[in-house]
Amino acid sequence: DAGVIQSPRHEVTEMGQEVTLRCKPISGHDYLFWYRQTMMRGLELLIYFNNNVPIDDSGMPEDRFSAKMPNASFSTLKIQPSEPRDSAVYFCASSPPFWENNEQFFGPGTRLTVL
Amino acid sequence: DQQVKQNSPSLSVQEGRISILNCDYTNSMFDYFLWYKKYPAEGPTFLISISSIKDKNEDGRFTVFLNKSAKHLSLHIVPSQPGDSAVYFCAASVYGGATNKLIFGTGTLLAVQP
Repeated sequence: DAGVIQSPRHEVTEMGQEVTLRCKPISGHDYLFWYRQTMMRGLELLIYFNNNVPIDDSGMPEDRFSAKMPNASFSTLKIQPSEPRDSAVYFCASSPPFWENNEQFFGPGTRLTVL
Repeated sequence: DQQVKQNSPSLSVQEGRISILNCDYTNSMFDYFLWYKKYPAEGPTFLISISSIKDKNEDGRFTVFLNKSAKHLSLHIVPSQPGDSAVYFCAASVYGGATNKLIFGTGTLLAVQP
């Protein structure tokens, strides 16, 4: 298996633009997580899905952030409009059911820079 | 409100010596703890975990100790190697709580000097 795939790896955009980050989880994993990494807060959980259904979006910072999972093999995280303070590394992770393994498998991340 | 805290942003040790990374948590409901390792430009990867029914778990050079009364855990790396230089994240969860949700700390950057 190729692991969790994220695209793009780097994104540079200007304030006010829409940004879409993409994720393909590991086949067979029914949990998908979106995280944001910053120096101040470490790895923050933004939202997670179980069987394509959003379960907990309490970490989504503002209404400018939205996430979807239209099928078991694809998810997007959208920021509209983007702001400089959104600059961070965004990770997607997937995991099997918790009763099998509590480990999460991370993608390589997308480094977002908003100018 | 940071439920999982890693108070040392960085740590430097000599090759061959012991590295000790610390983590504190505030939520007494947490009963499963994990350490992840992250190299630059890569995603975090699982390193070792421990359930609250244990106070120690060992895997090769890596040992995690859990002190439930103090709500504290530590990761020991013996002997440390230059390839261990990375950011280490501590994470906690409520195992079997119908979710795989993990709460991560802010990370500790370990530098192992040759």
